Amino acid sequence: GQNIDQPTEMTATEGAIVQINCTYQTSGFNGLFWYQQHAGEAPTFLSYNVLDGLEEKGRFSSFLSRSKGYSYLLLKELQMKDSASYLCAVREPRDSGAGSYQLTFGKGTKLSVIP
Amino acid sequence: DAGVIQSPRHEVTEMGQEVTLRCKPISGHDYLFWYRQTMMRGLELLIYFNNNVPIDDSGMPEDRFSAKMPNASFSTLKIQPSEPRDSAVYFCASSLEVAGGAYEQYFGPGTRLTVT
Repeated sequence: GQNIDQPTEMTATEGAIVQINCTYQTSGFNGLFWYQQHAGEAPTFLSYNVLDGLEEKGRFSSFLSRSKGYSYLLLKELQMKDSASYLCAVREPRDSGAGSYQLTFGKGTKLSVIP
Repeated sequence: DAGVIQSPRHEVTEMGQEVTLRCKPISGHDYLFWYRQTMMRGLELLIYFNNNVPIDDSGMPEDRFSAKMPNASFSTLKIQPSEPRDSAVYFCASSLEVAGGAYEQYFGPGTRLTVT
């Protein structure tokens, strides 16, 4: 089975840096994703890590440690528009057939950015 | 480019009625996913297709739920009969499998279903 844990809520100040952690326990691993979801909208892709280390994309960075089952999303220079839920998702191979896989989502971290 | 298209955007129905949700994936994508999102359970995968073939439907709650993908550009999720506990936002997503790629999923705007 899969178990993905993230903090439920976080609050941070505009202009600051915030780190959202994600730990996972899965029977297989084939990549970790971060998605952003604004209230009432669909999730949108932010980042993908399959190897250990840091992936940087503008103000957002994502880190992965496969041996620790751990990832974090780092948001710099926070803006009010960054207030959203951030979903961690793990991709793992399925037994149901060659090349089949499943993406399992955590429940998300609701980030509130305050002035 | 048009993204993933879902219809209807909102659906209110009475318990016992049949509900059909529709999805048009991004042209050229070979994977299609149906998810359900609630406050209590978060985002849950219901079923996914690869090249129009259902690969894994283990997330489908029960026999009241069924999904089809008759061609590469259309899929339906049907609930019959619907129950109040089915009230949720249903998302369709599609992705393209490219060797070495991230296979990120692109989500449609969702259908907010309310069963009274």
